[in-house]
Amino acid sequence: ELKVEQNPLFLSMQEGKNYTIYCNYSTTSDRLYWYRQDPGKSLESLFVLLSNGAVKQEGRLMASLDTKARLSTLHITAAVHDLSATYFCAVENTGNQFYFGTGTSLTVIP
Amino acid sequence: DSGVTQTPKHLITATGQRVTLRCSPRSGDLSVYWYQQSLDQGLQFLIQYYNGEERAKGNILERFSAQQFPDLHSELNLSSLELGDSALYFCASSAPGLAGGQSEQFFGPGTRLTVL
Repeated sequence: ELKVEQNPLFLSMQEGKNYTIYCNYSTTSDRLYWYRQDPGKSLESLFVLLSNGAVKQEGRLMASLDTKARLSTLHITAAVHDLSATYFCAVENTGNQFYFGTGTSLTVIP
Repeated sequence: DSGVTQTPKHLITATGQRVTLRCSPRSGDLSVYWYQQSLDQGLQFLIQYYNGEERAKGNILERFSAQQFPDLHSELNLSSLELGDSALYFCASSAPGLAGGQSEQFFGPGTRLTVL
């Protein structure tokens, strides 16, 4: 079974700082997804990465995928309070099954 | 609002019972996915349908079944419920991606199931 490891599990950062969330997975895949979940809410799709070297940016968030290293990163630039949420990565295998990381709970402190 | 609707929002039932969760995808989306989220297990993929056909199956228990109807809405049936089935159940939908690849998923608000 494909394993997905996310770290850190908890992240507390000050506004204006930069940080990176890491997503490692155990089996070759070139389909990786990032989601955001606010407390008590559903999931919101952030990025869909479908090839090695894919990089996507939206506002203060940038996601990249290195399929050779089986690693995706979600980089946060100049964090603001509105980014406080839990972030999940998910990997899709060749059988179209999805495996989620444990999530990173991000708190941005003013 | 993602455009994906789920009913009911909350469901409280007893062990051994059977429930049906319903999902209506966004207009035009052909794929429907079901997920379970619990504190114990985290987020787990259950099953995917594409235009009425089962496309992929994940960690779905034999007591659970799903289907997608001709109008593309989907139902997840959970039977012989156990305490451990208490969780949030999300469905999501997506349109066909480029070159057949997967595209962005839009999630419904979820159904919170409590088994007493």
